[in-house]
Amino acid sequence: DAKTTQPTSMDCAEGRAANLPCNHSTISGNEYVYWYRQIHSQGPQYIIHGLKNNETNEMASLIITEDRKSSTLILPHATLRDTAVYYCTGGYQKVTFGTGTKLQVIP
Amino acid sequence: EAGVTQFPSHSVIEKGQTVTLRCDPISGHDNLYWYRRVMGKEIKFLLHFVKESKQDESGMPNNRFLAERTGGTYSTLKVQPAELEDSGVYFCASSQTWSGRETQYFGPGTRLLVL
Repeated sequence: DAKTTQPTSMDCAEGRAANLPCNHSTISGNEYVYWYRQIHSQGPQYIIHGLKNNETNEMASLIITEDRKSSTLILPHATLRDTAVYYCTGGYQKVTFGTGTKLQVIP
Repeated sequence: EAGVTQFPSHSVIEKGQTVTLRCDPISGHDNLYWYRRVMGKEIKFLLHFVKESKQDESGMPNNRFLAERTGGTYSTLKVQPAELEDSGVYFCASSQTWSGRETQYFGPGTRLLVL
């Protein structure tokens, strides 16, 4: 599985875009990049995934660099309910969570 | 569509006792995973079932932990005998694999406290 590096924490003003970076320089060519989040003590929640192209769904957008060594998760209009720990992971099957980025959305 | 469910939501037991956690995956999902977070640590993988077979149990901490998935539907994780360091939150996830990708859907977790 790819080793990932994320900032420990970030703040974002409510209503603004939250951009969460992730480095995954060891990801192999056929491994998808996945993002999950954990809100407080709930179970982790799937957000989005991608391989090479940028992706968008109802929750977020995912920008993957051309060399696939890094990606950015974008929450276009962060709300207080988006306060959570965000995890990026590469690989297949079992999820390696790491420490993630603790995003605090500020009113 | 019902999500992944776990039972019980909380369990408090004494050291040396036995506890059995249950996970009901999303209907039709062949893959079932167990993870846990012990206090202050990251969420760690425990094991992976494909239908009723154990695909990967490399994360199981020791032989006090026994996971089963009879019939390829729900799964149980038994801890016998429980130790203090087993306290934490146990998550279950399920998924269906297609085209080399796999999105896992997690349950709410079982919070285990061993006294």
